[in-house]
Amino acid sequence: DVKVTQSSRYLVKRTGEKVFLECVQDMDHENMFWYRQDPGLGLRLIYFSYDVKMKEKGDIPEGYSVSREKKERFSLILESASTNQTSMYLCASSPTSEGETQYFGPGTRLLVL
Amino acid sequence: GDSVTQMEGPVTLSEEAFLTINCTYTATGYPSLFWYVQYPGEGLQLLLKATKADDKGSNKGFEATYRKETTSFHLEKGSVQVSDSAVYFCALSPFMNTGFQKLVFGTGTRLLVSP
Repeated sequence: DVKVTQSSRYLVKRTGEKVFLECVQDMDHENMFWYRQDPGLGLRLIYFSYDVKMKEKGDIPEGYSVSREKKERFSLILESASTNQTSMYLCASSPTSEGETQYFGPGTRLLVL
Repeated sequence: GDSVTQMEGPVTLSEEAFLTINCTYTATGYPSLFWYVQYPGEGLQLLLKATKADDKGSNKGFEATYRKETTSFHLEKGSVQVSDSAVYFCALSPFMNTGFQKLVFGTGTRLLVSP
């Protein structure tokens, strides 16, 4: 089975802190994604990556950055956390061969105080 | 741009009732269509998909048919169970000339099934 793991299920941070969310997949997938999930808004794409060291902005990249130094790991960085970044963050991966099917991690619920 | 609209929830049903969750989309070209399900405390998992008009996706008793003429992909199940209680997301994958696909999600519909 494909496994996508996220470093934390719950995080509480202070405004202005630098926050790292880590995602690891064990199936050698080329593509990785970060979404945030908010009530009434569904999932919105923050950033994605189709190869090591490659990254592309999604629909809501402001206030976020990403890093992909190794194929299996995709990190989301909040340079200076703000209260409006309180959300559920979901990581996903997909193989180029399957193209469309994305496999999701369990999510990290982040609270910024 | 591409978008997905699905019915507001929650949808509340008794066990063994018939389920329909409506989903319509706006997209250029010929997108692929998906239903993902999120059980409490978990990430999303693919429930079913359809890649061209008139295709029917099915899994675990759920079905959805790709209707290009009405731009719809409604999810149905003949007899729901308590274990089907979850949030259901409709999504589309717009045609792209790359080896990977982005997904555009609807806002999700929560289903609550009571015994």
